[in-house]
Amino acid sequence: KQEVTQIPAALSVPEGENLVLNCSFTDSAIYNLQWFRQDPGKGLTSLLLIQSSQREQTSGRLNASLDKSSGRSTLYIAASQPGDSATYLCAVASGGSYIPTFGRGTSLIVHP
Amino acid sequence: SQTIHQWPATLVQPVGSPLSLECTVEGTSNPNLYWYRQAAGRGLQLLFYSVGIGQISSEVPQNLSASRPQDRQFILSSKKLLLSDSGFYLCAWRLGTLGAFFGQGTRLTVV
Repeated sequence: KQEVTQIPAALSVPEGENLVLNCSFTDSAIYNLQWFRQDPGKGLTSLLLIQSSQREQTSGRLNASLDKSSGRSTLYIAASQPGDSATYLCAVASGGSYIPTFGRGTSLIVHP
Repeated sequence: SQTIHQWPATLVQPVGSPLSLECTVEGTSNPNLYWYRQAAGRGLQLLFYSVGIGQISSEVPQNLSASRPQDRQFILSSKKLLLSDSGFYLCAWRLGTLGAFFGQGTRLTVV
């Protein structure tokens, strides 16, 4: 059974710092890995999708990498801003029905 | 473009009452559909998924059921709610090897 772990569970940083959020998974037979953002009381917003054949994806200040063989992904946030404060979730799609399995997330606070 | 609608946004129900949460997807055909629950302080737990009309797979035995009466409609139900059914319910869809996309969720409080 796929298990996804995210480290750290919480992070509080001053504005402007570059951040690295980590995600690891136990079964490397994945189809893709997706990073989401969740604001309090809201649904999940997709940030980046990395297919199993890809190594990284970039969108603006966000960069996600994937090392499938070692079961790891990192989300890099450059020049963090208070508006980046949210919970960041990692999900890997695996199994016959491409079911996304989630980590518990990293709660990020960026203070001015 | 594809959109997903989920309602209601919030719901307060007494113990023992029935439940019906609805999710519809627009702009795509034959998506995989998912119901997740997010309890306070816990991760997202997959409850049900469906790969087609009338095809429902349950991941966790509990007081809930799901149905897919139409291609782009996914319904989460309960005949009698328990206090432990409280949580944030999220519907999602996925097509092929694309990523998953989520609705805005329903906050259910059972009192």
